[in-house]
Amino acid sequence: KNQVEQSPQSLIILEGKNCTLQCNYTVSPFSNLRWYKQDTGRGPVSLTIMTFSENTKSNGRYTATLDADTKQSSLHITASQLSDSASYICVVSTNNAGNMLTFGGGTRLMVKP
Amino acid sequence: ETGVTQTPRHLVMGMTNKKSLKCEQHLGHNAMYWYKQSAKKPLELMFVYNFKEQTENNSVPSRFSPECPNSSHLFLHLHTLQPEDSALYLCASSQETGVRNQPQHFGDGTRLSIL
Repeated sequence: KNQVEQSPQSLIILEGKNCTLQCNYTVSPFSNLRWYKQDTGRGPVSLTIMTFSENTKSNGRYTATLDADTKQSSLHITASQLSDSASYICVVSTNNAGNMLTFGGGTRLMVKP
Repeated sequence: ETGVTQTPRHLVMGMTNKKSLKCEQHLGHNAMYWYKQSAKKPLELMFVYNFKEQTENNSVPSRFSPECPNSSHLFLHLHTLQPEDSALYLCASSQETGVRNQPQHFGDGTRLSIL
């Protein structure tokens, strides 16, 4: 069964600090891995998409890594800001036709001043 | 600023009511999706449309009835819903389902409460 597990479930950090969110998956076959940010009351917004051959990708203060051998990914947030408070969702796409996605349960991040 | 617009943003309805959720995308995409997001659960895919044709029905109860009149509009018709159907319903679009490595663009959802 395809699964995506994220940790921690929730995290509180102080403004300006760095943090790393984890994602482990058992999806097969693998096509790509995505990280989404979902603000409260809003829909998810794509941060990064990584294919099998990519092991790191950045989007501003967000840096995602991918280890396809261990089936793990991380999202590192540098110099956190209050606006980073949101849920971060890891999503893995299979290689089957149809762009089918398996969603993780998300990590809820709260950045405090 | 999202290119996918969902209305209404909030909906409260009784179990015997009939209502519809609307989604419109202004991105020129050909694939549209309905998802259900319940508290503390991962997003669940409900339906997929590609070039107006339904390509995926993820074992969704018949009390949910999708309609895709064109590539820009997607509806979800609701009737005789149950309290456990209370959730955030998200619409998304992408270029088309057969193209890999493309993001799905989400609307801000309709928060549905069943009394």
